[in-house]
Amino acid sequence: DIQMTQSPSTLSASVGDRVTITCRASQSISNWLAWYQQKPGKAPNLLIYKASSLESGVPSRFSGSGSGTEFTLTISSLQPDDFATYYCQHYNSYSATFGQGTKVEIK
Amino acid sequence: QVQLVQSGAEVKKPGASVKVSCKASRYTLTSYYMHWVRQAPGQGLEWMGIINPSDGSTSYAQKFQGRVTMTRDTSTSTVYMELSSLRSEDTAVYYCARVLRGVGFDFWGQGTLVTVSS
Repeated sequence: DIQMTQSPSTLSASVGDRVTITCRASQSISNWLAWYQQKPGKAPNLLIYKASSLESGVPSRFSGSGSGTEFTLTISSLQPDDFATYYCQHYNSYSATFGQGTKVEIK
Repeated sequence: QVQLVQSGAEVKKPGASVKVSCKASRYTLTSYYMHWVRQAPGQGLEWMGIINPSDGSTSYAQKFQGRVTMTRDTSTSTVYMELSSLRSEDTAVYYCARVLRGVGFDFWGQGTLVTVSS
């Protein structure tokens, strides 16, 4: 089974900061990677798919990159609404695997 | 707007079973696969399995093989997830999520809290 490892587990940042979260796959997954944002008590929300495609309605300050085994989610200028937990996810036709999550906290 | 509406919170005793429903509206259920994901309190997201509502075929995470059953009722546009032999570690919020092929989980249910306690 493919394992997804995110780093860091927690990130402290200030409004306006550039933030980068890394996700590594245990083997090559091409670009079959998505990123989700989750706020407390809410379902996750899709941000990025196919590693770098921005989901409709998601602010352009969010971007994704990478292929193969290493991927990044970047928030170019952190906004108050962005303090949340972020998950990477590998998906294919019949399964999915999530990273353990990265909590972005207020510094 | 697509909607996935799940059944309400459940409290179960260890060893019992729970069946959670997820009713789809404003799209054709059989056109998209549906996944189930759970989240224990304070923990991350855990994938449980997938159902193809068109033919009812399923694929389950190895961890849940033998304990989970996913079904669908196309007449009511509803998918179901039943988990048996419940233990305290199964206490979690259970989500259904629609998958858009090649994209990811584009719509999620609101979640159903299942509490397992004696």
